[in-house]
Amino acid sequence: DSGVTQTPKHLITATGQRVTLRCSPRSGDLSVYWYQQSLDQGLQFLIQYYNGEERAKGNILERFSAQQFPDLHSELNLSSLELGDSALYFCASSLNVVQDKETQYFGPGTRLLVL
Amino acid sequence: AQTVTQSQPEMSVQEAETVTLSCTYDTSENNYYLFWYKQPPSRQMILVIRQEAYKQQNATENRFSVNFQKAAKSFSLKISDSQLGDTAMYFCAYSVAAGNKLTFGGGTRVLVKP
Repeated sequence: DSGVTQTPKHLITATGQRVTLRCSPRSGDLSVYWYQQSLDQGLQFLIQYYNGEERAKGNILERFSAQQFPDLHSELNLSSLELGDSALYFCASSLNVVQDKETQYFGPGTRLLVL
Repeated sequence: AQTVTQSQPEMSVQEAETVTLSCTYDTSENNYYLFWYKQPPSRQMILVIRQEAYKQQNATENRFSVNFQKAAKSFSLKISDSQLGDTAMYFCAYSVAAGNKLTFGGGTRVLVKP
C-alpha cells in the first residue's frame, strides 16, 4: 500500500459526459501528479500541483482540468468525454516535508471506460 | 525534451534465473533521477528501485540491482533469483529533479516461468 488513495476504482460513463476523479496523497506529501495510461499513448504526465498551486502541465487536454484543495487532496475533472479518453488514470504524490522528497508514490488508479 | 527508451517489449525467464532489462534515456542535464517501476496484473505502479545521477554507486534493493552508466545514458535493471511474483510490466522513468514529472519508457513485459 503506497498510502495514496484514489476513488473511484472504476468508472463507466457515456460520451459527452463529465466525471471527477479524486486523489488523496500520502501523509506529508505536498505535491500531486496526474498521469494517464492508455494502450496507444503509454504513461503520460498530465498535470502537477504543489501545495494548492498548479506547478507543471503536460499533455492535458483543454477538456480536462484539475485542482488541489487546502487539505492537499486533488480532483481531476474530465468533461465532454470521448471514446479515446478511456484509460487508467493515476495519481501520484511526492515532495514529503519530512523525507524521501524525490520519489513519486502511485495510487491504485481509476479505470475509466467511456462507451 | 527528455526521452526514455526500453528496447525490449517482452522477456521471459525461468524461475530462479536472472534477467536484465535495458533502458536508455536522452537528457542534457547533469543531475537527475532514474527509477524502475513494476506494474503487476493488478495495474498498481510499484517503485522497485531508484538512482540519483550524482551517485556513482549502483543502487540495489534485495534481488533488484541497476547498472547505471551515466556517460552512455543507460540504466538497466537486473532481477536475480526471479520469482513468479516478478511477472509484471516494468517501466523505466526519468525525472530531472525532485518534484518534477516522470517521463516513462514504453515498458518491458517480464514473464517468469515455473
